[in-house]
Amino acid sequence: RKEVEQDPGPFNVPEGATVAFNCTYSNSASQSFFWYRQDCRKEPKLLMSVYSSGNEDGRFTAQLNRASQYISLLIRDSKLSDSATYLCVVRLFSGGYNKLIFGAGTRLAVHP
Amino acid sequence: GAGVSQSPSNKVTEKGKDVELRCDPISGHTALYWYRQSLGQGLEFLIYFQGNSAPDKSGLPSDRFSAERTGGSVSTLTIQRTQQEDSAVYLCASSLDGTKQFFGPGTRLTVL
Repeated sequence: RKEVEQDPGPFNVPEGATVAFNCTYSNSASQSFFWYRQDCRKEPKLLMSVYSSGNEDGRFTAQLNRASQYISLLIRDSKLSDSATYLCVVRLFSGGYNKLIFGAGTRLAVHP
Repeated sequence: GAGVSQSPSNKVTEKGKDVELRCDPISGHTALYWYRQSLGQGLEFLIYFQGNSAPDKSGLPSDRFSAERTGGSVSTLTIQRTQQEDSAVYLCASSLDGTKQFFGPGTRLTVL
């Protein structure tokens, strides 16, 4: 079983739609959680951290459920520019090292 | 300020040759990571440097791969006797505290 699992998609949605991505992680000792965004043939960039209480950044809302080991990202009022791959990331501190474990990503395509 | 830089941006080499990939992290970032990403795949962790501690080499796929970080700053990833399956984008990331990572643009390696 992969340490971080995501539905690869693609999610094809019209502009203005609301779309949600889910992610599950296997290690209950995971300490921090993030969503990164990766555009085609570009490097990943941090989108937002995910906090237990849930957090919002403009049109983006992230939720964490530690009991179920599940993270979500909600995008409201989708824009064409939101088309990208969204990577779910968890941080583990193990053996004296901080490791970020990346999911394989969920691809989003927003069409006019 | 300057972000993470990597060189070269593209490298084409023949099977069996050695290659060196360079990463300049963000100034002051103590943590440095190398990943590789094959086309359409997720990020594969390779190696992690944290300050003066011994690096976490647990992700290196074979003994043909090695990395150094000199003076706590610049890092070089070396692949000896390259194979076609080494073809991928090699991404470097740096972090101030081992949590949020900032990625360079990557080096696209093609082994013929």
